[in-house]
Amino acid sequence: GEQVEQLPSSLIVQEGASVLINCSYTDSASVYFPWYKQEPGKRLQFIIDIRSNMERKQNQRLTLLFDKKTKHLSLHITATQPGDSAIYFCSPPSNAYKVIFGKGTHLHVLP
Amino acid sequence: DPKIIQKPKYLVAVTGSEKILICEQYLGHNAMYWYRQSAKKPLEFMFSYSYQKLMDNQTASSRFQPQSSKKNHLDLQITALKPDDSATYFCASSQEGGDEQYFGPGTRLTVL
Repeated sequence: GEQVEQLPSSLIVQEGASVLINCSYTDSASVYFPWYKQEPGKRLQFIIDIRSNMERKQNQRLTLLFDKKTKHLSLHITATQPGDSAIYFCSPPSNAYKVIFGKGTHLHVLP
Repeated sequence: DPKIIQKPKYLVAVTGSEKILICEQYLGHNAMYWYRQSAKKPLEFMFSYSYQKLMDNQTASSRFQPQSSKKNHLDLQITALKPDDSATYFCASSQEGGDEQYFGPGTRLTVL
């Protein structure tokens, strides 16, 4: 089945810094890659996605890069704010009805 | 204005008892899911339903039984509760399978 690895597992940065979160997956059949954010004690929220026919997608301060050959995604967050502090999850579905989440990257942005 | 409701928010149960976790979504979605999250394990997929039919099941134990009485409901019945079942259980929904998912606020279950 699908295996997902996220690195780093945690990040502590100063407000205003940029961060890069990496995600690797194993299932070549995966074609859709949503990312979610979970603030402390809160529900998961969808933040950005990309499909396998794209290489790059941007949504304000978030940029998602996708390399189909290496089965690798990178989420770039610029101008980080304390409100960005959360766990970020990469979640390539292994099929339309089964979603495997990585262990998440804990981001802590210091004011 | 909550679009996905989970009840109760907190639940304390004794070992061996049975509980039902409620999930209702008002997004008009056709697919619904259950996940479990604990300190020991990352976010874990449990079940997925589409149009009230089971699509995928990653929960080995038959103690966990989803129940869909209506298209926008997917409850989770847990029998013979164990302390290891203590976790936060999240319900989610999507328009169709494979679409972005909307998550509920979770039910935090503690089994004593």
